[in-house]
Amino acid sequence: DQQVKQNSPSLSVQEGRISILNCDYTNSMFDYFLWYKKYPAEGPTFLISISSIKDKNEDGRFTVFLNKSAKHLSLHIVPSQPGDSAVYFCAASAKGGSEKLVFGKGTKLTVNP
Amino acid sequence: KAGVTQTPRYLIKTRGQQVTLSCSPISGHRSVSWYQQTPGQGLQFLFEYFSETQRNKGNFPGRFSGRQFSNSRSEMNVSTLELGDSALYLCASSVGDYTGELFFGEGSRLTVL
Repeated sequence: DQQVKQNSPSLSVQEGRISILNCDYTNSMFDYFLWYKKYPAEGPTFLISISSIKDKNEDGRFTVFLNKSAKHLSLHIVPSQPGDSAVYFCAASAKGGSEKLVFGKGTKLTVNP
Repeated sequence: KAGVTQTPRYLIKTRGQQVTLSCSPISGHRSVSWYQQTPGQGLQFLFEYFSETQRNKGNFPGRFSGRQFSNSRSEMNVSTLELGDSALYLCASSVGDYTGELFFGEGSRLTVL
């Protein structure tokens, strides 16, 4: 049973436009959500996080939105840059945060120049 | 500041053998987590160690085990290898404050023949 789902395996956008990556979860116990970015041959890199007490968190070009009633979160990248091309993983944890993360299977983002 | 170091980077084993993977965390980090990444299942949590104690465990059989030393370095062991154990094994370190903000190594790619 997949508790964190990223339904789009891939996404392609033009440089300068907005990239929106989506993630759905099923476990109501999840209360902390994170996004990781992964380049080929490298380990995932932490990008941004959000606690369930918030509905938005912003860090530079990256914003994460959380809709608890829909059990849905999204990552917005504005403006998108070719260097943002990578696989993006959504992850969730329970009990106020934990190193035990449940990951989605990832969305491969390609930003075209 | 040196990142998370995993050794070996690549290894090939045959069914029934055992394997030990090593992870050196970022200096000052007391938590080490292990994840298995496969194309079919994505990233799955194996276990987490904090100050030499297993703090969290995923849903893997007992053939998968780990330990952490007093210098925070960690090892994981897989006994009686099966073909399905072929995967990228990722180690991640953190300060252990339950934020889920992990620093991943590049991984150890295990192939079981």
